[in-house]
Amino acid sequence: DTGVSQDPRHKITKRGQNVTFRCDPISEHNRLYWYRQTLGQGPEFLTYFQNEAQLEKSRLLSDRFSAERPKGSFSTLEIQRTEQGDSAMYLCASSFPGTEMYEQYFGPGTRLTVT
Amino acid sequence: AQKVTQAQTEISVVEKEDVTLDCVYETRDTTYYLFWYKQPPSGELVFLIRRNSFDEQNEISGRYSWNFQKSTSSFNFTITASQVVDSAVYFCALSDPYNQGGKLIFGQGTELSVKP
Repeated sequence: DTGVSQDPRHKITKRGQNVTFRCDPISEHNRLYWYRQTLGQGPEFLTYFQNEAQLEKSRLLSDRFSAERPKGSFSTLEIQRTEQGDSAMYLCASSFPGTEMYEQYFGPGTRLTVT
Repeated sequence: AQKVTQAQTEISVVEKEDVTLDCVYETRDTTYYLFWYKQPPSGELVFLIRRNSFDEQNEISGRYSWNFQKSTSSFNFTITASQVVDSAVYFCALSDPYNQGGKLIFGQGTELSVKP
């Protein structure tokens, strides 16, 4: 397994359109996290899953955002009716809460540009 | 509330200079983890180190070293004999994997530029 993968790497969309991003975590990592990073800022937590259960959502995750992890493997993040303020890098990370772990391994991110 | 502050927005050094990146954190938890990540121009966050709150031993890995001081809530990162390839944005982060699911609270990052 080569790490966390995300698709697409870049997405340009017009305001008002819906977009969906996919994240494939490292195999056997049961925790999956979504973060958003805007220019010049550190990543900000959006939501996380343990297996298929979504256990926490940030206040940043408005009603237009929805995330799923249907079988506890890959996850999707959908943004409905995109706004220019949604332009950011969306990062996915996975971790395995074992005795020596807890570090999160990040994917390359999906850069969203809303025009 | 948890918070991480990286007061240095940008640092520029000449190759072979030593450089220290500062990180100050706030938390009410007694058990927590601190991390450093590197984000090169390609954009992918690369894990560098994890330290738990009960282990204040300093750590050295090659040219990298970390100084963790609970008394001052700091977790500073030093690069010795910097190289051009060290140019990147460095993030310090805090998490409480037991009570908050391990979500990372990041600082704003320090952009390090190493010039030849």
